[in-house]
Amino acid sequence: SQQGEEDPQALSIQEGENATMNCSYKTSINNLQWYRQNSGRGLVHLILIRSNEREKHSGRLRVTLDTSKKSSSLLITASRAADTASYFCATGSRRAGGTSYGKLTFGQGTILTVHP
Amino acid sequence: EAQVTQNPRYLITVTGKKLTVTCSQNMNHEYMSWYRQDPGLGLRQIYYSMNVEVTDKGDVPEGYKVSRKEKRNFPLILESPSPNQTSLYFCASARLAGGSYNEQFFGPGTRLTVL
Repeated sequence: SQQGEEDPQALSIQEGENATMNCSYKTSINNLQWYRQNSGRGLVHLILIRSNEREKHSGRLRVTLDTSKKSSSLLITASRAADTASYFCATGSRRAGGTSYGKLTFGQGTILTVHP
Repeated sequence: EAQVTQNPRYLITVTGKKLTVTCSQNMNHEYMSWYRQDPGLGLRQIYYSMNVEVTDKGDVPEGYKVSRKEKRNFPLILESPSPNQTSLYFCASARLAGGSYNEQFFGPGTRLTVL
């Protein structure tokens, strides 16, 4: 299976509810990033968390990283219909010395649908 | 405006006819990359470049070529396209800091159909 797998594959919620998406990976990483994609469009960067960080916030977004479990979660609080999109995590494997390989691996994404 | 541009946005071609998809960024980013997106497979990295004249293979490089002669441009070349290269292609760029890249900025995508 791929580095950076999201779970669930699809999530359907009502406006105002919280949405949680998970990402698992296999190798050591330098950072993990979350992106959003509206249907067929380019990806938009949401948040980056480095391997020495455990939690990060940006507006209604909260990302956690557990390097011991090789997993991350993205929480969107008080969701809105405009949050409807696909969400991807992306990991860059870390080379010895702490620098990143240029290779970046995306998961297959979680499709989030927020109903008004 | 900081952006990554790709051209063309849509392309229909025939098997074997060489084509180039251009990618340009105006943010002076060192890192550039190409991805293809297919239903059920997510985004897969084709090639990436850490700087001018430095390129390397991603996960699915077969059938593609790239070059990085200038910092701002990173064209994707399909020498002999085949139907299995029908896909949505994205170019992205990022700033490198301390050997690690930061957020990637994505272009709008190029939808390629090979008949």
